[in-house]
Amino acid sequence: AQSVSQHNHHVILSEAASLELGCNYSYGGTVNLFWYVQYPGQHLQLLLKYFSGDPLVKGIKGFEAEFIKSKFSFNLRKPSVQWSDTAEYFCAVNGVRDDKIIFGKGTRLHILP
Amino acid sequence: EAQVTQNPRYLITVTGKKLTVTCSQNMNHEYMSWYRQDPGLGLRQIYYSMNVEVTDKGDVPEGYKVSRKEKRNFPLILESPSPNQTSLYFCASSRGDRVYEQYFGPGTRLTVT
Repeated sequence: AQSVSQHNHHVILSEAASLELGCNYSYGGTVNLFWYVQYPGQHLQLLLKYFSGDPLVKGIKGFEAEFIKSKFSFNLRKPSVQWSDTAEYFCAVNGVRDDKIIFGKGTRLHILP
Repeated sequence: EAQVTQNPRYLITVTGKKLTVTCSQNMNHEYMSWYRQDPGLGLRQIYYSMNVEVTDKGDVPEGYKVSRKEKRNFPLILESPSPNQTSLYFCASSRGDRVYEQYFGPGTRLTVT
């Protein structure tokens, strides 16, 4: 079955700490991978995406994610978080020939000032 | 400005009273979709549409209906709402060949008492 699993439901960090949010997927076939972010009171926005090529992709606001095919993972990272990164983060997968996108359950990130 | 709009943004209603949440996009997108977001469950797709008059069930379609008579509009209909449909609803749209890059509306918070 197609699924996306995010390891942590809630993460609390202090400003300047490094961040890594785990994401694993289960999908039979070639996939596109994404991270979406939802800031408090706002709608979802695309943070970064991976289609093919370099497995390390860079997104907005200093975020990056690495696709490790052998581990079916697409973890999100940021070397030094800011208070404004407080948000909920969703990992998502889409088959290259698929007409739907599957979201993980989300990770709530809370940054302490 | 490219956007997805939803109305109403907040709605409190009673069990069994039919309601419609409207969704409209001005980007000429082929693909439109409805999601519900619940704590701990993330985003779950209710229905989606690849184009006018083409709709399909998502993961949680029970209790919902949709229609796609025009390209820009994709209303979500709850014929007989129940308390378990209390949730935050998001409409999204994208190009037909880029369903991964969805633009989300601001959300509609529905409470069914």
